[in-house]
Amino acid sequence: ELKVEQNPLFLSMQEGKNYTIYCNYSTTSDRLYWYRQDPGKSLESLFVLLSNGAVKQEGRLMASLDTKARLSTLHITAAVHDLSATYFCAAGLLLIFGTGTRLQVFP
Amino acid sequence: KAGVTQTPRYLIKTRGQQVTLSCSPISGHRSVSWYQQTPGQGLQFLFEYFSETQRNKGNFPGRFSGRQFSNSRSEMNVSTLELGDSALYLCASSFGGSGYNEQFFGPGTRLTVL
Repeated sequence: ELKVEQNPLFLSMQEGKNYTIYCNYSTTSDRLYWYRQDPGKSLESLFVLLSNGAVKQEGRLMASLDTKARLSTLHITAAVHDLSATYFCAAGLLLIFGTGTRLQVFP
Repeated sequence: KAGVTQTPRYLIKTRGQQVTLSCSPISGHRSVSWYQQTPGQGLQFLFEYFSETQRNKGNFPGRFSGRQFSNSRSEMNVSTLELGDSALYLCASSFGGSGYNEQFFGPGTRLTVL
């Protein structure tokens, strides 16, 4: 059974700083997704990673996938307040989600 | 291109009642998946419908059921509501064929059970 773990659960970071969110999954998965969710809102797709070594970047966010280590990372560069949200990773065909990382960026 | 729509957006019910939620997928999408989001359990997969057939099912009791119509619209039904069914219910649609299919999420229906 596929399980997905994220850490940290909460992340409070200062504007301008860098940080990484980690996503581990328990069994082989040929796809890894990252989503963003604002309070009371639905899920917004950020990245889809489909192969080992895949790296995708959008603005201050960069996601990567290591299928051998069963690990994906979401790296935040020079955080800004607008990035404050909850970030989820999900793996597998049926989207097994991680617990989410609640990110708060403060001045 | 219109996105995934869900109705109603908010719903309040009492224990023991039943509820039906609706999801209209993006035009051309044939797969609809349903997810439940709660603070305690997070995001959990309920079931997926493709071409009017349930193709995959998560670990939820039989009180949770669904169906899909020929136009790909899907409904989810929860019978004998319990307090723990209070959640945000999200549906997502995709083309649903073999291989990679990106899922697009609707705005969700927030169900409160009193």
